[in-house]
Amino acid sequence: GDSVTQMEGPVTLSEEAFLTINCTYTATGYPSLFWYVQYPGEGLQLLLKATKADDKGSNKGFEATYRKETTSFHLEKGSVQVSDSAVYFCALRGTGFQKLVFGTGTRLLVSP
Amino acid sequence: ETGVTQSPTHLIKTRGQQVTLRCSSQSGHNTVSWYQQALGQGPQFIFQYYREEENGRGNFPPRFSGLQFPNYSSELNVNALELDDSALYLCASSLDPTGGDYGYTFGSGTRLTVV
Repeated sequence: GDSVTQMEGPVTLSEEAFLTINCTYTATGYPSLFWYVQYPGEGLQLLLKATKADDKGSNKGFEATYRKETTSFHLEKGSVQVSDSAVYFCALRGTGFQKLVFGTGTRLLVSP
Repeated sequence: ETGVTQSPTHLIKTRGQQVTLRCSSQSGHNTVSWYQQALGQGPQFIFQYYREEENGRGNFPPRFSGLQFPNYSSELNVNALELDDSALYLCASSLDPTGGDYGYTFGSGTRLTVV
């Protein structure tokens, strides 16, 4: 079945450092790919998405490119802020079905 | 646009009891999905309702059931609670079953603890 694998956390960075959170997936067909963010005590918020190969999703300085050849969707940000501290989930929505399949999440901690 | 609201925010139940969790979807969203998020894990799909009918189900037993109402509200019912049911339960609404261009809007969840 479809699955998503994320790098384990926590990822600890200083403010203004470069961020990469790795995400790879297994799916049949052409899934849509998502990054969601979860702040403490809150639900999930859609951060960005890409629906086809080579698409780049971007939002709030975060970017991720849909790489079908490597089945990856790595999240990057050039300069993180303390307010980016949260748990980040990579997810896919498979072809022909509605559910989201999530990775286990990666906690990001940014210190001043 | 009021977003997705869930109630209660926290709940403690005893093993064997039954529980009902509630969700009010974003206005105009005719699709609602429920997810279970165990501590330290990603959310797992329970089921989806579209226009008041279940149209997709994950790997959860029949004691997990749901309802969707015409006013965009929905319920998740769990019978015969087990300790492993302790989790954060998330409701997500969308304009259509595929999530559409705007994806799914998640609520803040109900934290269920089974003792």
